[in-house]
Amino acid sequence: GNSVTQMEGPVTLSEEAFLTINCTYTATGYPSLFWYVQYPGEGLQLLLKATKADDKGSNKGFEATYRKETTSFHLEKGSVQVSDSAVYFCALSVRDSGTYKYIFGTGTRLKVLA
Amino acid sequence: NAGVTQTPKFQVLKTGQSMTLQCAQDMNHEYMSWYRQDPGMGLRLIHYSVGAGITDQGEVPNGYNVSRSTTEDFPLRLLSAAPSQTSVYFCASSPSWDISNQPQHFGDGTRLSIL
Repeated sequence: GNSVTQMEGPVTLSEEAFLTINCTYTATGYPSLFWYVQYPGEGLQLLLKATKADDKGSNKGFEATYRKETTSFHLEKGSVQVSDSAVYFCALSVRDSGTYKYIFGTGTRLKVLA
Repeated sequence: NAGVTQTPKFQVLKTGQSMTLQCAQDMNHEYMSWYRQDPGMGLRLIHYSVGAGITDQGEVPNGYNVSRSTTEDFPLRLLSAAPSQTSVYFCASSPSWDISNQPQHFGDGTRLSIL
């Protein structure tokens, strides 16, 4: 079946530290991959996406590369800020019974300390 | 620019009561969906719609009904609330049914407690 596995949180970092949040997936066919971010009290917002193997998505200093050989889409940022504190969700879009559906990971909470 | 609007933001119900969670979008999006978010389980798809008059079940549809009479609105109905339906509910929309490379736009959520 289709699934997304994320590293468990919470992840606590000091400001300017390097961030990696691991995400691996299982899917039939060729899914598109996404990272969404959820700030406290808000809905999810798209952070970045990649639609085919070896694509790199990037936004606001965050990056993730679609690795088909390792079925991974790890999120990285070189220097985190307090404002990056949020919950991060990895997701894939897959065709199922004629329509596309999203499968979300369980989310990873990031806390950045000043 | 309203985007996706959900009402109410908070609601407390007693077991057995019914209610409707409202969702409206002003972006003329074809695809709309409802998710529930529970601790440790991420977001799970309840129902979705690829256009007015067309709805289908997602991963966890039991206990919920939907309809899509207009492009803008996609209400979610709880027929007889149960404590297991205590959750945060999110509505989302996307420009077309082909969400393979398009983002979904999310509302701010409805926090629902069933006593």
